[in-house]
Amino acid sequence: AQSVSQHNHHVILSEAASLELGCNYSYGGTVNLFWYVQYPGQHLQLLLKYFSGDPLVKGIKGFEAEFIKSKFSFNLRKPSVQWSDTAEYFCAVTPYSSASKIIFGSGTRLSIRP
Amino acid sequence: GAGVSQSPSNKVTEKGKDVELRCDPISGHTALYWYRQSLGQGLEFLIYFQGNSAPDKSGLPSDRFSAERTGGSVSTLTIQRTQQEDSAVYLCASSQDSSNQPQHFGDGTRLSIL
Repeated sequence: AQSVSQHNHHVILSEAASLELGCNYSYGGTVNLFWYVQYPGQHLQLLLKYFSGDPLVKGIKGFEAEFIKSKFSFNLRKPSVQWSDTAEYFCAVTPYSSASKIIFGSGTRLSIRP
Repeated sequence: GAGVSQSPSNKVTEKGKDVELRCDPISGHTALYWYRQSLGQGLEFLIYFQGNSAPDKSGLPSDRFSAERTGGSVSTLTIQRTQQEDSAVYLCASSQDSSNQPQHFGDGTRLSIL
């Protein structure tokens, strides 16, 4: 069955630390990949997405993610986090053949110490 | 501009009652999705509407769940004979079309079954 794994359930960092959140998916075909963010009290927002082309994708607020096909991974990174990055982060996958079905990971809660 | 609007924001009801959750998508968005997020779980796909096509109901967990989308705009998700395991946050999202355009999420309806 198709699935998305986010191995870090809760990450706590200090401001200015570097961030990497893991995301692995299980699907043998072509996929589209997303990271969504949910700030406290807000709805989910798209952070960045990968459809094709350069596997290093840059998103909003200094975030980037790298698609490594051989590892079925799409890890999210930020070189220097800020307190305002405190949020829940969701990795998601859409099998290319099924635009309607998006599979989410269980989310990673990121807490930034000021 | 106006985003995806969901109502009510919170709903508490007794086991066995029927509930209706409403979603107003962004104007002009032809694709509409319902998800739910249970405590400690990732987002779970429920149903997808695209224009006048037959909806993709493959994510509905049981026949107690149904959804309609009238006039290609507003959608209602109905849960009949609610059970305690139906307690979750129900999220609606819309996108411009089905070709993997980013989804814009509402704030969700928090459903609590007593």
